[in-house]
Amino acid sequence: AQTVTQSQPEMSVQEAETVTLSCTYDTSESDYYLFWYKQPPSRQMILVIRQEAYKQQNATENRFSVNFQKAAKSFSLKISDSQLGDAAMYFCAYRSPKLTQGGSEKLVFGKGTKLTVNP
Amino acid sequence: AAGVIQSPRHLIKEKRETATLKCYPIPRHDTVYWYQQGPGQDPQFLISFYEKMQSDKGSIPDRFSAQQFSDYHSELNMSSLELGDSALYFCASSHGTTYNEQFFGPGTRLTVL
Repeated sequence: AQTVTQSQPEMSVQEAETVTLSCTYDTSESDYYLFWYKQPPSRQMILVIRQEAYKQQNATENRFSVNFQKAAKSFSLKISDSQLGDAAMYFCAYRSPKLTQGGSEKLVFGKGTKLTVNP
Repeated sequence: AAGVIQSPRHLIKEKRETATLKCYPIPRHDTVYWYQQGPGQDPQFLISFYEKMQSDKGSIPDRFSAQQFSDYHSELNMSSLELGDSALYFCASSHGTTYNEQFFGPGTRLTVL
């Protein structure tokens, strides 16, 4: 079974600075999807960024980018120009390709990293 | 844009009671997932449905059952509730043939007293 590890339970960053959240995963599959989800105090799960394993180019969404190292099974999230609204719990998640009988596979989450943004 | 709807948003039950959580996926989404997030924990997959058939099953207790109806909405039925069932229950939906991104609902917070 696939596992996802987030080794940083908590991180903090100064407003306007850059922070990197770590994520590693274990899988024997060659094709898969990786995600970063943000969960603010409202508890809503918000997709931040996604990466397909077959793509070598790292995904970027505005101030959010990833460093995807497939061989090392590493998938870190970099937040640039941190804002107070970025304060949240961040979950790294793994998903296998589509099920053979249709539909999509479940998400496997890491334990999360709580990010604090200091003004 | 339409989002995933969950009802109720909050639910308080006594031990040994029964609860029913409802999920209305985004229109044209054919896959529904249920996740359970305990206090301070990551979401754990419970069960999923594709085209009204169960497609995958996770760590769902035998006291729980779920189904997806002809209009694609789904219900999670929980019986003989225990204190440990207190959690945030998320429903997510996706379209099986495209990007497969899972869109999460706001969750139902269940408290068992």
